[in-house]
Amino acid sequence: EAGVAQSPRYKIIEKRQSVAFWCNPISGHATLYWYQQILGQGPKLLIQFQNNGVVDDSQLPKDRFSAERLKGVDSTLKIQPAKLEDSAVYLCASSLSKFANTGELFFGEGSRLTVL
Amino acid sequence: QKEVEQNSGPLSVPEGAIASLNCTYSDRGSQSFFWYRQYSGKSPELIMFIYSNGDKEDGRFTAQLNKASQYVSLLIRDSQPSDSATYLCAVIPAGGTSYGKLTFGQGTILTVHP
Repeated sequence: EAGVAQSPRYKIIEKRQSVAFWCNPISGHATLYWYQQILGQGPKLLIQFQNNGVVDDSQLPKDRFSAERLKGVDSTLKIQPAKLEDSAVYLCASSLSKFANTGELFFGEGSRLTVL
Repeated sequence: QKEVEQNSGPLSVPEGAIASLNCTYSDRGSQSFFWYRQYSGKSPELIMFIYSNGDKEDGRFTAQLNKASQYVSLLIRDSQPSDSATYLCAVIPAGGTSYGKLTFGQGTILTVHP
């Protein structure tokens, strides 16, 4: 079974530039998450989708971050304009159930962003 | 106060010893608790989950939950160098809108030396 796919794995940009990350979840997983993990910290949830609808985006900095999940499968996370503090690994995860109380999220390898 | 707190370590134990990792959480109504392992440069993977007070064992791993003290721990018996990683405690807060919304602690770095 293929895992969660993310691209690009690494990206270096200058502040005020824009960047986009792509995620393809495990087939059949209705719930998709984007987490931000800053070095030395635990992952922080940015946005959660159920199919193509947003369940929770309370911690997404909406002035610069946007995310979409068209057709309820792939998802894209965009940052525009980027700030230095956006340097982090962006983790995409998926799970089988909306009520994912088993906590079993399957994470992708992550996209490491460096903002100079 | 952080929602989920862990001692960031590093925690260093000799091979074969018991490693004890601790976590406290602030939301008294939390119902579900998880331990994830994250190797350097890799993504987190679920090790164990626990819902009820007491102990839950899975091989060399034991999760312990004390809801009255808002405390959850992970014990790793017969620690191996391959257990060296960051261990993330995660909680699903109370409330019907949580929907699998994991809140992670900052992680504890564990090093098992031969």
